[in-house]
Amino acid sequence: DAKTTQPDSMESTEGETVHLPCSHATISGNEYIYWYRQVPLQGPEYVTHGLQQNTTNSMAFLAIASDRKSSTLILTHVSLRDAAVYHCILRANTGANTGKLTFGHGTILRVHP
Amino acid sequence: ETAVFQTPNYHVTQVGNEVSFNCKQTLGHDTMYWYKQDSKKLLKIMFSYNNKQLIVNETVPRRFSPQSSDKAHLNLRIKSVEPEDSAVYLCASSWPGQLYFGEGSKLTVL
Repeated sequence: DAKTTQPDSMESTEGETVHLPCSHATISGNEYIYWYRQVPLQGPEYVTHGLQQNTTNSMAFLAIASDRKSSTLILTHVSLRDAAVYHCILRANTGANTGKLTFGHGTILRVHP
Repeated sequence: ETAVFQTPNYHVTQVGNEVSFNCKQTLGHDTMYWYKQDSKKLLKIMFSYNNKQLIVNETVPRRFSPQSSDKAHLNLRIKSVEPEDSAVYLCASSWPGQLYFGEGSKLTVL
């Protein structure tokens, strides 16, 4: 029961900036937005997360809409190593489901040389 | 840099056999998980343990049983495998909310 909606795939070229959208119209007030990515033969890798404010780290910039119903993961100067499936996930920080993440299909990001 | 270790990474077996997957994390986390990733790459949580105690047990067949000797270890035993058990089983540990996954254990049931 993924509560997020992402495009199935996106294409890019090395060096470009990529915007990966995620819709989460029914997000609850106590839910964080997490992004993970997964390459073949590996487990998912944490990218970033946020609650309300935009966040940035060495991997990506996360832009969160003011109503929190959508977010965008922004990857700058993508390389071939950024090709992966990117998952946008919601996580509650209270109650019995704390820590439990529900993954959807994610967005396949293809990067061309 | 891997800190969640799974063994074996691949296992091929026949219907009805017993299989065990081992998982160890060196991060000092209290919570560990088992996820199943099917052929469509969808990840579904199976079990969650916090400091050796089962806290989440999703609807999985009874032939699946998690085992935890201490908070750094969470093993998964499948008593009598079925063809639909073919999948990649991913172990993870967390520090609050941020999951660290192992490389996965791919099970093929013939």
